[in-house]
Amino acid sequence: AQTVTQSQPEMSVQEAETVTLSCTYDTSESDYYLFWYKQPPSRQMILVIRQEAYKQQNATENRFSVNFQKAAKSFSLKISDSQLGDAAMYFCAYRSGGSTLGRLYFGRGTQLTVWP
Amino acid sequence: DTGVSQNPRHKITKRGQNVTFRCDPISEHNRLYWYRQTLGQGPEFLTYFQNEAQLEKSRLLSDRFSAERPKGSFSTLEIQRTEQGDSAMYLCASSLWDGQETQYFGPGTRLLVL
Repeated sequence: AQTVTQSQPEMSVQEAETVTLSCTYDTSESDYYLFWYKQPPSRQMILVIRQEAYKQQNATENRFSVNFQKAAKSFSLKISDSQLGDAAMYFCAYRSGGSTLGRLYFGRGTQLTVWP
Repeated sequence: DTGVSQNPRHKITKRGQNVTFRCDPISEHNRLYWYRQTLGQGPEFLTYFQNEAQLEKSRLLSDRFSAERPKGSFSTLEIQRTEQGDSAMYLCASSLWDGQETQYFGPGTRLLVL
C-alpha cells in the first residue's frame, strides 16, 4: 500500500511570511495524483491544491504552490503571505491514477499556527 | 451546488447499540467515499461507491460495518453493535469521475461510543 509521510506535526509562521510544509510518499506507480487538503477547526476538509504526477510544472493556486520532486517522491506546500485564516491542519494525500482506484491515502497532518 | 452534507453531525451512543449515518453528495457526483478519522490522525479509507455499486472496501470495514447507496444518490453507513473503538469522525466525500477526480468532503459525523 502507498504511504504518505508528513514529518512536521506542527509548524508556525508569522502573518505575511512564507512557510513550507513537507510531504513525502512511497509508491511504485508512475501514474498518480497528489493533493493538499486543509482542515480548519470547524473540521470540514477543503482542497487546497492538486498535482498530476505526469505534469512537470508545479501547481499553483494564488498564494499556495507546490514543489513536486517526482524522483525524490517529495511534495511540499508553500504558503506565501500567510494569513490568519490559513491556520488549520494540513493533510497531504495520494491517489493512484487508475480509474477504479479512487481511495485517498493521507498523511498524519501538520498543524499550522499563524501568529499576528 | 450545496456541497456534501452529512447527518447527524454528532452522535452519542452506548456500546452495543446500532447507529446509522447519512451522506448526501454533490448532486452530479457519481462517486461517494467514506473515511474514518481518529484524533491526531489523517482520514482512513473505508469504502466507496460508483453510482450504486460498491467498488472497494477496506480491511478496516469489519462485518459490523455496512454501507449502501441504493439509488446512486445518498449513502448510509451503519455500524452494528458499536464498540468504544468505533469512536471517531466519519467523513463522506464525493467526486465526479470524468477522467480526473477531486474529492469534496462533508463536515463529518462525530461518533462517541460510551
